[in-house]
Amino acid sequence: DIVMTQSPDSLAVSLGERATINCKSSQAVLHSSNNRDSIAWYQHRPGQPPKLLLSWASTRDFGVPDRFSGSGSGTDFSLTISSLQAEDVAIYYCQQYYLTPYTFGQGTRLDIK
Amino acid sequence: QVQTVQSGGGLVRPGGSLRLSCVVSGVTLRDFYMSWVRQAPGRGLEWVSYISPTGDTVDYADSVKGRFTISRDNAKNSLSLQMNSLRVDDTATYYCTRGHWALDSWGQGTLVTVSS
Repeated sequence: DIVMTQSPDSLAVSLGERATINCKSSQAVLHSSNNRDSIAWYQHRPGQPPKLLLSWASTRDFGVPDRFSGSGSGTDFSLTISSLQAEDVAIYYCQQYYLTPYTFGQGTRLDIK
Repeated sequence: QVQTVQSGGGLVRPGGSLRLSCVVSGVTLRDFYMSWVRQAPGRGLEWVSYISPTGDTVDYADSVKGRFTISRDNAKNSLSLQMNSLRVDDTATYYCTRGHWALDSWGQGTLVTVSS
């Protein structure tokens, strides 16, 4: 199975500041069909279902604010929130969909400092 | 706007069975892969299963293979998960989701508790 490891486990950032969450896959996840990395990022707020933020490592889903961005290649990926808002408090997960079983990182809890 | 309504969770004894259902509105389900993802209490997300648009291709996590069966009824815009031989470690909130790669349009989740 592909192991997804996120860092840090938790993070506190001041409002308006940048937050970056890292995700490392145990092997490359480059999809041969489109030469893109099979990485998704999700936001999970308390009491709500998870929400897709990004797919293919960097493509924002419909309606996701542009303060959310994704980057990376190979086995190292990042989610960046450029200017933290109060509504961004959540747990964030990366996921690989290159091979089944599709696997998630352990999650990163993001709070306001 | 896509809306997903889940049902069928509850308390069941170890070894018992439960069937989860998910009805989707606002989109034609037959156009999409569908998946189940679960989250055990205090734990992260775990992919459980997916099914292709026509139902001819399915896949399961090893932890549920041989015990869970995913199915769909495109005429009713619905998805199901039949869970047999339930174990204590199947206790989780189960989410119905659209897609099988990046997962969008998640249901609200339904809690399954396996306990004696």
